[in-house]
Amino acid sequence: NAGVTQTPKFRILKIGQSMTLQCAQDMNHNYMYWYRQDPGMGLKLIYYSVGAGITDKGEVPNGYNVSRSTTEDFPLRLELAAPSQTSVYFCASRIRGLAGYNEQFFGPGTRLTVL
Amino acid sequence: GQNIDQPTEMTATEGAIVQINCTYQTSGFNGLFWYQQHAGEAPTFLSYNVLDGLEEKGRFSSFLSRSKGYSYLLLKELQMKDSASYLCAVSDRGSTLGRLYFGRGTQLTVWP
Repeated sequence: NAGVTQTPKFRILKIGQSMTLQCAQDMNHNYMYWYRQDPGMGLKLIYYSVGAGITDKGEVPNGYNVSRSTTEDFPLRLELAAPSQTSVYFCASRIRGLAGYNEQFFGPGTRLTVL
Repeated sequence: GQNIDQPTEMTATEGAIVQINCTYQTSGFNGLFWYQQHAGEAPTFLSYNVLDGLEEKGRFSSFLSRSKGYSYLLLKELQMKDSASYLCAVSDRGSTLGRLYFGRGTQLTVWP
């Protein structure tokens, strides 16, 4: 299994541009998450999904959109990039397991710079 | 809401023991996780505690006291490769979706 994969690894955007960060998992996990991590800060939840067709906002959803058309894929869309969106983005997934025990598996991250 | 606090930085020497503390406040505790994150890499799972007490896993152990809202990660026989950020994360019972709330992480530097 490849686990959780993310593309691209690095990207530089100009202000106002748009892009889609790709995330895929091959573990048949129901739950998927998007986080951003700024220097010296913890992971902040952007959006999450409990299954195909179901998504919801996390702590910092402004400026982002998601979709979940399949179990495997969970892309994150930035419509109008702003410098405040410069960050490292991690996608994660977990199986629908025992209540409370919910180890999340993380992808390698996408390092995004908006200039 | 959730409030998770851990030290920003710690240093130790190779072969030593280090304890990284984490305190939390949550409306409905449902488990605490420790993750390790090397620079430029993704977080990887280290341990999980939901009941009070110590969980041991090789050189790493994690302790939980729910009444005190306190956990620590104990690293023994430190190696250079243990230099990394250690993230404390709490699962909230109010979230049925396995949502985790992360602390800012503790950057551990191991010196030779």
